[in-house]
Amino acid sequence: DIQMTQSPSSLSASVGDRVTITCQASRDISNSLNWFQQKPGTAPKLLIHDSSSLETGVPSRFSGSGSGTDFAFTISSLQPEDVATYYCQQYDILPPRFGPGTKVDLK
Amino acid sequence: QVQLQESGPGLVKPSQTLSLTCTVSGDSVSSGDYYWTWIRQSPVRGLEWIGYVYSNGHSYTTSSLRGRVSLSVDTSKNQFSLKLTSVTAADTAVYFCARDPVRGQLVGSFDYWGQGILVTVSS
Repeated sequence: DIQMTQSPSSLSASVGDRVTITCQASRDISNSLNWFQQKPGTAPKLLIHDSSSLETGVPSRFSGSGSGTDFAFTISSLQPEDVATYYCQQYDILPPRFGPGTKVDLK
Repeated sequence: QVQLQESGPGLVKPSQTLSLTCTVSGDSVSSGDYYWTWIRQSPVRGLEWIGYVYSNGHSYTTSSLRGRVSLSVDTSKNQFSLKLTSVTAADTAVYFCARDPVRGQLVGSFDYWGQGILVTVSS
């Protein structure tokens, strides 16, 4: 199975800050990577697929990049409604595997 | 508007069988365009993909749960189901059903999710 790691595990930032989360796969997964947002008590929401493609309706302040084993997720200007836990997830090979998550809150 | 809703007991005794159903509205489980999927989440294991069932009844389960999991689809009720046998406390989790669009050989782009159901394994 492919293992996924994320860093940091948590971060605090101010409204308007640029926030970046990194995700690493244990082997080459091409661009087969999703990013999800999960708010407490709700299901994860798909934000980005294929490493960098924004889902319909997702604000453009969210972006993703990377291929192979190293990926990044960026919020260009943090908003209060972005407080959540963010997960990367690979789908290059079965089973799909999620990272451990990065909790983002406001400073 | 696509909606998925999990249902089933919130408490299961150790060694018994956990049974959950996902009811789909706004889409059809008969559609060949999707894998109908189960995912669970716990503080210890994080988000864990359990497996999928396809419209023709074909299913695939993650290796760590193979042998204990049964996945099925009921097209007449527009539902799909999960059965997990011989449960232990380690199976305590929030269980989500989700829709996964078929994309060639790729499995794992979950675009619609149910709200989740907490299942606790305890005597």
